[in-house]
Amino acid sequence: DAGVTQSPTHLIKTRGQHVTLRCSPISGHKSVSWYQQVLGQGPQFIFQYYEKEERGRGNFPDRFSARQFPNYSSELNVNALLLGDSALYLCASEDFEQFFGPGTRLTVL
Amino acid sequence: DQQVKQNSPSLSVQEGRISILNCDYTNSMFDYFLWYKKYPAEGPTFLISISSIKDKNEDGRFTVFLNKSAKHLSLHIVPSQPGDSAVYFCAADENSGYALNFGKGTSLLVTP
Repeated sequence: DAGVTQSPTHLIKTRGQHVTLRCSPISGHKSVSWYQQVLGQGPQFIFQYYEKEERGRGNFPDRFSARQFPNYSSELNVNALLLGDSALYLCASEDFEQFFGPGTRLTVL
Repeated sequence: DQQVKQNSPSLSVQEGRISILNCDYTNSMFDYFLWYKKYPAEGPTFLISISSIKDKNEDGRFTVFLNKSAKHLSLHIVPSQPGDSAVYFCAADENSGYALNFGKGTSLLVTP
């Protein structure tokens, strides 16, 4: 039984570029959430999507956007990358509890 | 503004003894609390949760205690095992159903 999968596992970008991160939820889960974990901090909520609709948004700038597809997979897009966007980006799918994927490590140089 | 605080960055415990991890919160609207465990290069794994209508929840070696008046919860691991060595995150939910608020984590090391 596959868990939450994320791709890529690691990514290096330069300032000003954009990035797309991908997430596939656990089969049967219709909800996907995105979190950013900066080194030394806990995960911080970015978005949640349920049935392809945005259900919640954290305190992140408009450079961050996301969408969910008919198969419930999701993409997180970040434009105009800043050094401070370097972090582990976690995706979680949910039935009652949130189950996290392994994350994508983004490094912005 | 950190609404969930884990004030101990690290904790070292001998195998077989009790590990106690603490968490404080400031938002009185939080009504559901969770503990996650995270190994390096993996995502957080759900461990145990507690609703605000309870003051204790137990699952095997893991027990979570909630003191609403003190806005404090703790995770007890008895007996501790070397495989429990990981970073433990406390998280809280304001009945939003989606936005978990995490603490900074406590790194637990269980030594043989």
